[in-house]
This record gives sequence, structure tokens and C-alpha cells, in this order.
Amino acid sequence: GEDVEQSLFLSVREGDSSVINCTYTDSSSTYLYWYKQEPGAGLQLLTYIFSNMDMKQDQRLTVLLNKKDKHLSLRIADTQTGDSAIYFCADLYSSASKIIFGSGTRLSIRP
Amino acid sequence: NAGVTQTPKFQVLKTGQSMTLQCAQDMNHEYMSWYRQDPGMGLRLIHYSVGAGITDQGEVPNGYNVSRSTTEDFPLRLLSAAPSQTSVYFCASSEKPNTEAFFGQGTRLTVV
Repeated sequence: GEDVEQSLFLSVREGDSSVINCTYTDSSSTYLYWYKQEPGAGLQLLTYIFSNMDMKQDQRLTVLLNKKDKHLSLRIADTQTGDSAIYFCADLYSSASKIIFGSGTRLSIRP
Repeated sequence: NAGVTQTPKFQVLKTGQSMTLQCAQDMNHEYMSWYRQDPGMGLRLIHYSVGAGITDQGEVPNGYNVSRSTTEDFPLRLLSAAPSQTSVYFCASSEKPNTEAFFGQGTRLTVV
């Protein structure tokens, strides 16, 4: 079936790294995404990775993809209070041209 | 450049009423979709469209209808609202299914 799973909550100390994990079931996944949702707003694309890549880095963000285990992670270095948000993992099911989102991980930052 | 515009922002309906949630985009995107967001369940795909005249069902289509008569508009219709449809609804559009999705600000719907 089509499923994308994430843990619901993560709390980190300001300045530490945050690692948000995601697992998916689609064997033919081609694109995987991370979206960010701030309170009262819609989602915004943070980054994405092609399925033929293992890693992608973009400033403070590092995405790791383990295709064998169908595991995706997002690492945020030097986490700041402005990073507080809900982070969604999403998978493009190419066979059906639809994007399936996970439940979202709420990241909270403590001083 | 307005992007994706959803109306209304808030709506309260009585059980059994019907209504249409509007979604319009001005980016000439072919791909549009509707999601509902519920606590702990993330975003669930209701319906999507890969172009004008083409729609398809997502994960939770029951109780909702859509049409895509133009590239710009993708309305979502609730024919007979139920309390289980209380949720925040998001419309999104993208140039293609695999490119960045742009989201509207959401419609908070309460069915009493």
C-alpha cells in the first residue's frame, strides 16, 4: 500500500542538530520531499532528493536516503528557534502521479 | 503574483449542508490537488488533477467531488457535509507532479 510514516514529535536544544526520520513503502519512488509548515500557514518545500541519490546537502539541511530500507532523514544543523515548525516527508508515487504525505513531525526548540 | 488562492478561509456548516471550497492558481500549473489535514494524521490526499478535464481519486475521496474545467480552478465540493469532514483543507498546485508544490493558506471547515 501507499504509506509514509514519521514520528509525531521531536524536541531539541537550540544550537544542536535535529534529525527527523521518515519511512515509506513505495518501491518505485522517484522523488522524496521535505516540506515545512509554520503555524497557521500552508506548506513550503524545503528540499527534495531524487531516488538515485544517497545524500543531498543544502546549507544547514542534509537529506539522507537509504533506498534499501526505504528510509529518509532530514538533518538540520545548528537548530534555531525559527526552525520550530511541523516537517512533512512526502513521496511521489510516479505510477499514479500523486504525492503522499506523512503525518508530520512537530519540532520544538528548547533554550 | 497571487500563487494559490483558497476561499473561504473559515467556514461553519450544519450537517447535511453542501458547499464548495474554491481554489485558484495563476501560475499556469497543470497539476492540482486537495488535501485535508487532521491532528496526528498529516495531510491526506482527497482528489487530484493532472490537467484540465482530468481528475482522479486520492486516499480519502468519499464525500467529496471535484472538477477541473479550466487550468486555473479546482473546486472541491461537499455534497452533504458530515462532522467527520471537520478539518483544515489545503489546495496545492505544481507545474508537474514531481516539481515543487505551492500550497494555499488553507480553509478551516467545521461541521456541526
